[in-house]
Amino acid sequence: GDSVTQTEGQVALSEEDFLTIHCNYSASGYPALFWYVQYPGEGPQFLFRASRDKEKGSSRGFEATYDKGTTSFHLRKASVQESDSAVYYCALGASSGSWQLIFGSGTQLTVMP
Amino acid sequence: GPKVLQIPSHQIIDMGQMVTLNCDPVSNHLYFYWYKQILGQQMEFLVNFYNGKVMEKSKLFKDQFSVERPDGSYFTLKIQPTALEDSAVYFCASSFGSNQAPLFGEGTRLSVL
Repeated sequence: GDSVTQTEGQVALSEEDFLTIHCNYSASGYPALFWYVQYPGEGPQFLFRASRDKEKGSSRGFEATYDKGTTSFHLRKASVQESDSAVYYCALGASSGSWQLIFGSGTQLTVMP
Repeated sequence: GPKVLQIPSHQIIDMGQMVTLNCDPVSNHLYFYWYKQILGQQMEFLVNFYNGKVMEKSKLFKDQFSVERPDGSYFTLKIQPTALEDSAVYFCASSFGSNQAPLFGEGTRLSVL
Protein backbone atom coordinates (compact mmCIF):
# COMPACT_ATOMS: atom_id res chain seq x y z
CA GLY A 1 0.00 0.00 0.00
CA ASP A 2 0.89 3.67 -0.09
CA SER A 3 3.40 4.90 2.48
CA VAL A 4 5.48 7.88 3.59
CA THR A 5 8.95 7.65 5.08
CA GLN A 6 10.57 10.39 7.13
CA THR A 7 14.19 9.52 7.70
CA GLU A 8 14.91 11.73 10.67
CA GLY A 9 13.07 11.09 13.90
CA GLN A 10 14.69 14.04 15.59
CA VAL A 11 16.60 17.08 14.37
CA ALA A 12 18.41 19.52 16.64
CA LEU A 13 19.60 22.86 15.25
CA SER A 14 20.66 26.29 16.39
CA GLU A 15 18.83 29.46 15.38
CA GLU A 16 19.60 30.61 11.82
CA ASP A 17 20.70 27.11 10.77
CA PHE A 18 19.46 25.62 7.51
CA LEU A 19 16.83 22.92 7.87
CA THR A 20 16.21 19.87 5.74
CA ILE A 21 13.72 17.16 6.71
CA HIS A 22 13.62 14.28 4.28
CA CYS A 23 10.36 12.80 3.04
CA ASN A 24 10.04 9.98 0.53
CA TYR A 25 6.84 8.35 -0.58
CA SER A 26 5.62 5.20 -2.24
CA ALA A 27 2.29 5.34 -4.02
CA SER A 28 0.43 4.11 -7.02
CA GLY A 29 -0.93 6.86 -9.16
CA TYR A 30 -0.19 10.53 -8.67
CA PRO A 31 -0.73 11.52 -5.03
CA ALA A 32 -0.83 15.00 -3.58
CA LEU A 33 1.86 15.66 -0.97
CA PHE A 34 1.46 17.68 2.20
CA TRP A 35 3.44 19.09 5.10
CA TYR A 36 1.78 19.60 8.47
CA VAL A 37 3.28 20.99 11.70
CA GLN A 38 2.16 20.03 15.19
CA TYR A 39 2.96 22.08 18.29
CA PRO A 40 2.67 20.51 21.76
CA GLY A 41 -0.92 20.04 22.86
CA GLU A 42 -2.33 21.07 19.48
CA GLY A 43 -3.59 19.36 16.38
CA PRO A 44 -1.62 19.26 13.15
CA GLN A 45 -1.63 22.54 11.21
CA PHE A 46 -1.54 22.51 7.44
CA LEU A 47 1.60 24.13 6.04
CA PHE A 48 1.27 23.60 2.30
CA ARG A 49 0.81 20.98 -0.39
CA ALA A 50 1.87 20.20 -3.95
CA SER A 51 -0.07 18.17 -6.47
CA ARG A 52 2.15 17.71 -9.51
CA ASP A 53 5.74 17.04 -10.44
CA LYS A 54 8.13 20.00 -9.94
CA GLU A 55 5.45 22.03 -8.13
CA LYS A 56 6.81 23.94 -5.13
CA GLY A 57 4.75 24.49 -2.04
CA SER A 58 5.71 27.10 0.55
CA SER A 59 4.53 28.80 3.70
CA ARG A 60 6.08 30.69 6.63
CA GLY A 61 9.56 30.39 5.06
CA PHE A 62 9.28 26.62 4.63
CA GLU A 63 9.26 25.08 1.18
CA ALA A 64 9.30 21.73 -0.57
CA THR A 65 9.32 20.64 -4.20
CA TYR A 66 7.41 17.63 -5.51
CA ASP A 67 9.91 15.33 -7.23
CA LYS A 68 8.28 12.39 -8.94
CA GLY A 69 11.61 11.04 -10.18
CA THR A 70 13.05 10.58 -6.70
CA THR A 71 9.59 10.22 -5.04
CA SER A 72 10.52 12.93 -2.57
CA PHE A 73 9.07 16.05 -0.97
CA HIS A 74 11.82 17.30 1.33
CA LEU A 75 11.06 20.19 3.67
CA ARG A 76 13.56 23.05 3.77
CA LYS A 77 13.95 26.34 5.53
CA ALA A 78 16.89 28.68 5.12
CA SER A 79 17.05 30.04 8.66
CA VAL A 80 15.17 28.40 11.53
CA GLN A 81 13.95 30.14 14.66
CA GLU A 82 13.32 28.80 18.16
CA SER A 83 9.58 29.16 17.49
CA ASP A 84 9.87 26.58 14.68
CA SER A 85 10.40 23.86 17.28
CA ALA A 86 7.60 21.34 16.67
CA VAL A 87 6.86 17.98 15.06
CA TYR A 88 6.68 18.04 11.27
CA TYR A 89 4.66 15.48 9.34
CA CYS A 90 4.85 14.67 5.68
CA ALA A 91 1.67 13.13 4.26
CA LEU A 92 0.27 11.93 1.00
CA GLY A 93 -3.29 11.97 -0.15
CA ALA A 94 -4.86 10.16 -3.06
CA SER A 95 -8.16 11.81 -3.57
CA SER A 96 -10.92 9.39 -4.31
CA GLY A 97 -13.63 11.91 -3.62
CA SER A 98 -12.08 12.85 -0.28
CA TRP A 99 -8.73 13.25 1.34
CA GLN A 100 -7.54 10.10 3.09
CA LEU A 101 -4.15 11.25 4.28
CA ILE A 102 -1.32 8.84 4.98
CA PHE A 103 1.12 10.41 7.42
CA GLY A 104 4.80 9.79 7.97
CA SER A 105 6.12 9.06 11.43
CA GLY A 106 6.99 12.69 12.07
CA THR A 107 10.22 14.58 12.75
CA GLN A 108 10.74 16.38 16.04
CA LEU A 109 12.57 19.64 15.34
CA THR A 110 14.25 21.33 18.27
CA VAL A 111 15.84 24.74 17.67
CA MET A 112 18.13 26.08 20.36
CA PRO A 113 18.64 29.83 20.86
CA GLY B 1 -9.19 31.89 11.82
CA PRO B 2 -11.69 29.04 11.70
CA LYS B 3 -11.20 26.23 14.18
CA VAL B 4 -12.29 22.67 14.69
CA LEU B 5 -13.25 22.17 18.33
CA GLN B 6 -13.08 18.83 20.11
CA ILE B 7 -14.86 18.07 23.35
CA PRO B 8 -13.66 16.86 25.80
CA SER B 9 -9.88 17.22 25.60
CA HIS B 10 -9.37 14.15 27.78
CA GLN B 11 -11.70 11.29 28.61
CA ILE B 12 -11.05 8.37 30.94
CA ILE B 13 -13.34 5.34 30.87
CA ASP B 14 -13.38 1.73 31.90
CA MET B 15 -12.93 -0.99 29.31
CA GLY B 16 -16.25 -2.19 27.94
CA GLN B 17 -18.02 1.12 28.40
CA MET B 18 -19.33 3.25 25.57
CA VAL B 19 -17.71 6.56 24.73
CA THR B 20 -18.70 9.36 22.39
CA LEU B 21 -16.13 11.84 21.16
CA ASN B 22 -17.55 15.14 19.97
CA CYS B 23 -16.26 17.37 17.22
CA ASP B 24 -17.57 20.80 16.28
CA PRO B 25 -16.30 21.33 12.72
CA VAL B 26 -15.96 24.62 10.88
CA SER B 27 -19.48 25.79 10.14
CA ASN B 28 -19.46 25.72 6.34
CA HIS B 29 -17.33 22.60 5.97
CA LEU B 30 -18.83 19.58 4.27
CA TYR B 31 -16.23 16.82 4.68
CA PHE B 32 -15.39 15.34 8.06
CA TYR B 33 -12.66 12.99 9.24
CA TRP B 34 -11.39 11.07 12.23
CA TYR B 35 -7.77 10.10 12.73
CA LYS B 36 -6.18 8.08 15.53
CA GLN B 37 -2.73 8.59 17.01
CA ILE B 38 -1.31 6.14 19.51
CA LEU B 39 1.36 7.71 21.74
CA GLY B 40 4.67 7.91 19.90
CA GLN B 41 3.23 6.71 16.59
CA GLN B 42 2.02 8.43 13.47
CA MET B 43 -1.50 9.56 12.87
CA GLU B 44 -3.66 7.04 11.06
CA PHE B 45 -6.84 7.57 9.09
CA LEU B 46 -10.00 6.08 10.50
CA VAL B 47 -12.94 7.37 8.47
CA ASN B 48 -14.28 10.18 6.34
CA PHE B 49 -17.87 11.36 6.09
CA TYR B 50 -19.81 13.44 3.61
CA ASN B 51 -23.46 14.17 3.01
CA GLY B 52 -24.54 12.01 5.91
CA LYS B 53 -22.59 8.96 4.81
CA VAL B 54 -19.31 7.22 5.46
CA MET B 55 -17.26 7.49 2.28
CA GLU B 56 -14.13 5.59 3.22
CA LYS B 57 -12.95 3.74 6.29
CA SER B 58 -9.71 2.00 7.18
CA LYS B 59 -9.19 -1.38 8.78
CA LEU B 60 -8.70 0.46 12.08
CA PHE B 61 -12.38 1.46 11.95
CA LYS B 62 -13.65 -1.61 13.77
CA ASP B 63 -17.26 -2.74 13.95
CA GLN B 64 -17.44 -1.19 17.41
CA PHE B 65 -16.91 2.27 15.88
CA SER B 66 -19.61 4.45 14.40
CA VAL B 67 -19.85 8.06 13.23
CA GLU B 68 -22.72 10.42 12.66
CA ARG B 69 -23.60 14.08 12.39
CA PRO B 70 -27.26 14.38 13.26
CA ASP B 71 -28.95 17.57 12.01
CA GLY B 72 -25.71 19.38 11.30
CA SER B 73 -24.64 19.38 14.93
CA TYR B 74 -21.55 17.71 16.34
CA PHE B 75 -19.71 15.15 14.25
CA THR B 76 -19.33 12.24 16.66
CA LEU B 77 -17.24 9.12 16.96
CA LYS B 78 -18.82 6.45 19.13
CA ILE B 79 -16.97 3.40 20.38
CA GLN B 80 -19.10 0.65 21.90
CA PRO B 81 -17.71 -1.28 23.65
CA THR B 82 -14.27 0.17 24.23
CA ALA B 83 -11.11 -1.92 24.43
CA LEU B 84 -7.69 -1.20 25.94
CA GLU B 85 -6.18 -0.75 22.48
CA ASP B 86 -8.56 2.12 21.81
CA SER B 87 -6.45 4.32 24.09
CA ALA B 88 -5.07 7.04 21.83
CA VAL B 89 -5.53 10.64 20.80
CA TYR B 90 -8.38 11.01 18.33
CA PHE B 91 -8.23 13.94 15.94
CA CYS B 92 -11.22 15.30 14.12
CA ALA B 93 -10.76 17.27 10.91
CA SER B 94 -12.98 19.01 8.40
CA SER B 95 -12.73 20.64 5.00
CA PHE B 96 -15.04 22.60 2.74
CA GLY B 97 -14.22 20.72 -0.42
CA SER B 98 -12.67 17.39 -1.23
CA ASN B 99 -9.80 19.28 -2.81
CA GLN B 100 -9.01 21.27 0.34
CA ALA B 101 -6.49 20.19 2.99
CA PRO B 102 -8.31 19.13 6.18
CA LEU B 103 -8.23 21.45 9.18
CA PHE B 104 -7.55 19.49 12.37
CA GLY B 105 -8.81 19.95 15.90
CA GLU B 106 -6.60 19.69 18.97
CA GLY B 107 -7.57 16.11 19.67
CA THR B 108 -9.28 14.16 22.43
CA ARG B 109 -7.06 11.94 24.52
CA LEU B 110 -8.96 8.75 25.30
CA SER B 111 -7.69 6.58 28.14
CA VAL B 112 -9.33 3.16 28.47
CA LEU B 113 -8.56 1.50 31.79
